[in-house]
Amino acid sequence: SQQGEEDPQALSIQEGENATMNCSYKTSINNLQWYRQNSGRGLVHLILIRSNEREKHSGRLRVTLDTSKKSSSLLITASRAADTASYFCVSFTGGGNKLTFGTGTQLKVEL
Amino acid sequence: ETGVTQSPTHLIKTRGQQVTLRCSSQSGHNTVSWYQQALGQGPQFIFQYYREEENGRGNFPPRFSGLQFPNYSSELNVNALELDDSALYLCASSSLKTTNYGYTFGSGTRLTVV
Repeated sequence: SQQGEEDPQALSIQEGENATMNCSYKTSINNLQWYRQNSGRGLVHLILIRSNEREKHSGRLRVTLDTSKKSSSLLITASRAADTASYFCVSFTGGGNKLTFGTGTQLKVEL
Repeated sequence: ETGVTQSPTHLIKTRGQQVTLRCSSQSGHNTVSWYQQALGQGPQFIFQYYREEENGRGNFPPRFSGLQFPNYSSELNVNALELDDSALYLCASSSLKTTNYGYTFGSGTRLTVV
């Protein structure tokens, strides 16, 4: 079963705009990761935030984590057409040694 | 340093047949995990191998089995294929050192069962 859900399921924006995706998860986590998937192929790791962190930045990416609400958000600033992909929120619980994926947000960035 | 490679990239099988998918892990990684991704869904954890032993399993029936070899490469075997087994199968490698830095995924094998 999926760990949680991303919101929105689909997002369409213009190049240069910011894109925000939200994620909820169900159980306690060691860390939360975001991955990108292009055209239903392999997944690319974007950023990881530990359970004791609240915010993290990497280039144009900003991730927040609220463990009290079991939620996270991913902000992509100044989006580009190449950012068009599906984005997954992924929780890592450590004990199960597995990644648990959300349902994904399909982002489309138009020129 | 090479990434994770999977073979084949595409495969078509008939219901009831058996299939073997292969994965070569990234250099320095000793753990391999397999995921099944149905169309429009997020990947689902099948199992993980560490030092040639199964080290965690998701909610998949026993006809899904695996192997890990001394060089840390891995195979996923599926017996008695069903139509619902049609999916993208993803392999991910990691190590204890990378647990906090994300997993490295291959490009996947797209399996179609007809």
